[in-house]
Amino acid sequence: GENVEQHPSTLSVQEGDSAVIKCTYSDSASNYFPWYKQELGKRPQLIIDIRSNVGEKKDQRIAVTLNKTAKHFSLHITETQPEDSAVYFCAVGSNTDKLIFGTGTRLQVFP
Amino acid sequence: KAGVTQTPRYLIKTRGQQVTLSCSPISGHRSVSWYQQTPGQGLQFLFEYFSETQRNKGNFPGRFSGRQFSNSRSEMNVSTLELGDSALYLCASSFKAGSTGELFFGEGSRLTVL
Repeated sequence: GENVEQHPSTLSVQEGDSAVIKCTYSDSASNYFPWYKQELGKRPQLIIDIRSNVGEKKDQRIAVTLNKTAKHFSLHITETQPEDSAVYFCAVGSNTDKLIFGTGTRLQVFP
Repeated sequence: KAGVTQTPRYLIKTRGQQVTLSCSPISGHRSVSWYQQTPGQGLQFLFEYFSETQRNKGNFPGRFSGRQFSNSRSEMNVSTLELGDSALYLCASSFKAGSTGELFFGEGSRLTVL
């Protein structure tokens, strides 16, 4: 089955700096790569996703890049703000299988 | 449009007991997935139901079971509870089956096993 690894597990940055979280996966049939944000005590919510026919996608300060050959994808947050502090989960899906999540990255943005 | 609703929000059980958790999806969503969230383990997939049929199952023991009703509401049951079952159980609904669309999560049911 699919295996998803996420790094780092914790990440601390100064406000205004950039943050990058990386995930690797094992199944070459995977074709859907979402990122979810979970604030403390809240439910996970989708912040951005990318499909296998696209290499990069941006939405304001966040972007996701996908390298299908190397089987990894990354979340990039620029100009970080204190409200970006949360746990971020990557996930991997396919047409025939379940959505598998990474173990999460706790991002702390210090003012 | 109302979001995904999970009940109960909090519950405490003792080892050996059983528990039933309920999930009402967003209106019109026919797919319901269940995840177990524990510190350090992230979100681990339990099962997915679509139109009352289990489509996928995770690597959990048979003590974990679920079902979906004709109105798309879903329940999961854990029998013979163990201390390690203490976790936040999240339900998520989506419009279509499978794992290539957005999941809408509920706030979860936090289970503590003593």
